[in-house]
Amino acid sequence: AQRVTQPEKLLSVFKGAPVELKCNYSYSGSPELFWYVQYSRQRLQLLLRHISRESIKGFTADLNKGETSFHLKKPFAQEEDSAMYYCALSGRTDKLIFGTGTRLQVFP
Amino acid sequence: DTEVTQTPKHLVMGMTNKKSLKCEQHMGHRAMYWYKQKAKKPPELMFVYSYEKLSINESVPSRFSPECPNSSLLNLHLHALQPEDSALYLCASSQVGLTGKADTQYFGPGTRLTVL
Repeated sequence: AQRVTQPEKLLSVFKGAPVELKCNYSYSGSPELFWYVQYSRQRLQLLLRHISRESIKGFTADLNKGETSFHLKKPFAQEEDSAMYYCALSGRTDKLIFGTGTRLQVFP
Repeated sequence: DTEVTQTPKHLVMGMTNKKSLKCEQHMGHRAMYWYKQKAKKPPELMFVYSYEKLSINESVPSRFSPECPNSSLLNLHLHALQPEDSALYLCASSQVGLTGKADTQYFGPGTRLTVL
C-alpha cells in the first residue's frame, strides 16, 4: 500500500535553530517525493521535489531509499518559515498521496 | 498566466440547492484534479481528468459531478449536499509527461464551501 507518514503534528523552534521535518513513505517501486507548503491564507504550493535536487528558501530534502525517508531540513529557521508542510508521494498513477502534515512554528 | 484560478472563493448553499465550482488554468496543463480539504487535514483526492477524460474517481458520492468541458476548464457540480460536505475544495493542474504520468501539481486557492 502507498502511504506517507509525518510523525510530528507540530514542530516549534526558535529563529536561527535547525529544523528537520520528518517524512517516511511506503511504496513498492520508485516513487516521486514532494514537499508542499501552505502558508497562512495562501494556496498550497510546491516547495521541493526529490528529482530536482535543489534548495528552495534554504530547505533541502534527500531521498533515502534504504530508510524510505524524505526528511526536510533547514539549517537556520526563519519566522517566515512558519507554515503547514505536507510530504507527498506520486507512484505509478496520477494520484498524489499526502501525509498528514506538520505545522512548523518559528518563534522570534 | 501561471496560476490556477477558482471561483467562487466562498459558497454557502442549502441541502436542496444546485451549485457549481469552477477552475481554470492557462498553463497548457492536460491533467486537472479536484481535492477536498477539511480543516487541519491534508487534501483528499476526489477526481482526476487527463486529456479531458475522467481517469480517476475516488469513489466520490454522486452528489458531486465533475465536468471538463475543455483543456483549460474544470467544473464540479454540486447537488443535494450534506453538511459534512462543508470543506475547502481545491483544484490543481499538471503537465502530463512523456510516460503519460502527471508531473508536479499546481494548486488553486480553493473554494470554501459551507452546506447548511
